[in-house]
Order: sequence, then C-alpha cells, then structure tokens
Amino acid sequence: EDKVVQSPLSLVVHEGDTVTLNCSYEVTNFRSLLWYKQEKKAPTFLFMLTSSGIEKKSGRLSSILDKKELSSILNITATQTGDSAIYLCAVEALNTGNQFYFGTGTSLTVIP
Amino acid sequence: DSGVTQTPKHLITATGQRVTLRCSPRSGDLSVYWYQQSLDQGLQFLIQYYNGEERAKGNILERFSAQQFPDLHSELNLSSLELGDSALYFCASSKQGNTEAFFGQGTRLTVV
Repeated sequence: EDKVVQSPLSLVVHEGDTVTLNCSYEVTNFRSLLWYKQEKKAPTFLFMLTSSGIEKKSGRLSSILDKKELSSILNITATQTGDSAIYLCAVEALNTGNQFYFGTGTSLTVIP
Repeated sequence: DSGVTQTPKHLITATGQRVTLRCSPRSGDLSVYWYQQSLDQGLQFLIQYYNGEERAKGNILERFSAQQFPDLHSELNLSSLELGDSALYFCASSKQGNTEAFFGQGTRLTVV
C-alpha cells in the first residue's frame, strides 16, 4: 500500500530556532516529492524534488530528497512566527495518470 | 491568489442530499485534481482530470463523481451525503507535464 509518513506530527519552537521536518514514503513508480505550506486554507507550493533535482533552497527553507532512504527533509532556519503552519509532504506516483499521496502534515508553531 | 477558483466557499446540507462543488483552474492549466481534507485523515487524493478526461483515481467513493468540461472547469458531485463527508474539498490545477499543482481556497462542506 502506498503511503507517506511525516514526522513529527507537531512542533513548537522559539523564533530563531532551526527546525527539520521529515517525510518518508513507500510509493511505487515514484515520480516526484513535493512540499507544501498550509496556513489557513489552501496549501501553497514550496518545492518539488525529483531524481534530477534532489536539493532545493529558497531563502531560509531548503529541502533534500534521499531516494535511497525513500525520504526527504525540509529545513527552516532562523524561524519566524510567519513560518507557523502545517507543512505537507506529497509524493507523486506515475501510474495511470499522476496520483498524489499526502502525509498528514507537521504542524509547526513558532512562538516569539 | 493561486488563480484557482472554487465555489461555494461554504456549504451546509443535510444527510442524504446531493451537492455540486465547482472549480475553475488557472488559465492554461489542463489538469484538475480534487482532494478531500478531513481532520482525522489529512489530505486525500480523490480524482484527476486532464483536458476533459479522467486520468487518475484515488480514494473516491462511488457516491462521488466528477467531470471536467470543455472549458476546463470541473465539478465534483457528492450524493447521498453522510455526516462523515464533512470536510474541506480542495481543487488544484497544473499545466501539462508540470506537476507543480496550485490549490484553490477550498470548499468547506458541513453535513448535518
């Protein structure tokens, strides 16, 4: 059964801390792994990682895909209160069409 | 604003009823995806359409159906509603060959 597991489920840190969010997956016909940030409503896209692009960085956020370990991490350095959100990991399987499997998310709370 | 429009924003209906959720994808996007997000199950992929045709199917109940019209907007029909169908329903769209999906703000369905 295809599945995506994220850890931890919830995280509370102080502003300025660095956090690492984990995503592991068991998906056949892996095509890509995506990270999303969900604040109030719609998830917003952060990164897409594929076999040809296993490391991405944008400002204080960075992500690495480990295809051998079937996992990915999302790092956020110098956290700010605006980083408080649920971070979702999704894995795309190329079966018939593009099927996405989402983890349940990591809830990050950054306190001043 | 992701460019994906979903209507209505909120919907309250009684058990046994039928509702239709509507999604207008971003201009130029051919793929539309539907997701269900409930508190206990996270984000679940329901179904994908590409240029009017069903492309991939996820955990979609037989009571649910969807279609994508020639103008590329999509509708998700939910029938014989049950209390457990209460959730946030997201639509996302992406361009051909590009799996970066942009999410709408969602429709919150409450079944009473």
